[in-house]
Amino acid sequence: EVQLVESGGGLVQPGGSLRLSCSASGFTFSSYAMHWVRQAPGKGLEYVSAISSNGGSTYYADSVKGRFTISRDNSKNTLYLQMSSLRAEDTAVYYCVKVADSYYMDVWGKGTTVTVSS
Amino acid sequence: EIVMTQSPATLSVSPGERATLSCRASQSVSSNLAWYQQKPGQAPRLLIYGASTRATGIPARFSGSGSGTEFTLTISSLQSEDFAVYYCQQYNNWPALTFGGGTKVEIK
Repeated sequence: EVQLVESGGGLVQPGGSLRLSCSASGFTFSSYAMHWVRQAPGKGLEYVSAISSNGGSTYYADSVKGRFTISRDNSKNTLYLQMSSLRAEDTAVYYCVKVADSYYMDVWGKGTTVTVSS
Repeated sequence: EIVMTQSPATLSVSPGERATLSCRASQSVSSNLAWYQQKPGQAPRLLIYGASTRATGIPARFSGSGSGTEFTLTISSLQSEDFAVYYCQQYNNWPALTFGGGTKVEIK
């Protein structure tokens, strides 16, 4: 069974940092691009970041560019999102998402909650 | 950036009735359009990709159509478990993907 399990969320003060992890299983992790998608309370889905299968290419939404860094360790089947200079508007559930060969999002994790507040 | 616009924002439907959800792209995305279902407290789930192909395990009452800039998700006979929020998403120019704002399907 394909499974994605996020961890690392929590309460952090504005300006602080946090690193999210996503542990993947049930598929050949190194063969697929991966995404992070977030959802603020009561809001819609926002695409945050993407990384190619070998980690050589990355993409960021303008809202997080320069503050967030996506990375992956294919030897550990793990995806990461390093978040710094956090703002209240970064408060959201963060989902780890597997990308299908044709680039739609075919498998979602259950999400981890990040709350930025003093 | 390709802007995805969904309508209506809320759709009130009685169980057993048909629901039709619309999604419009600001420029052509060919057939690179997916639909996701999200229930309260749950992660989104892939329903449709390629504008019209049902994902594994998705019931036949869900169907997608359209290409270019106009897309439709139809639920032929709403079941209680179908009341949820539905999002469209274009993946025509990966990795610059965009979601629509969502349509909430509620019980009438």
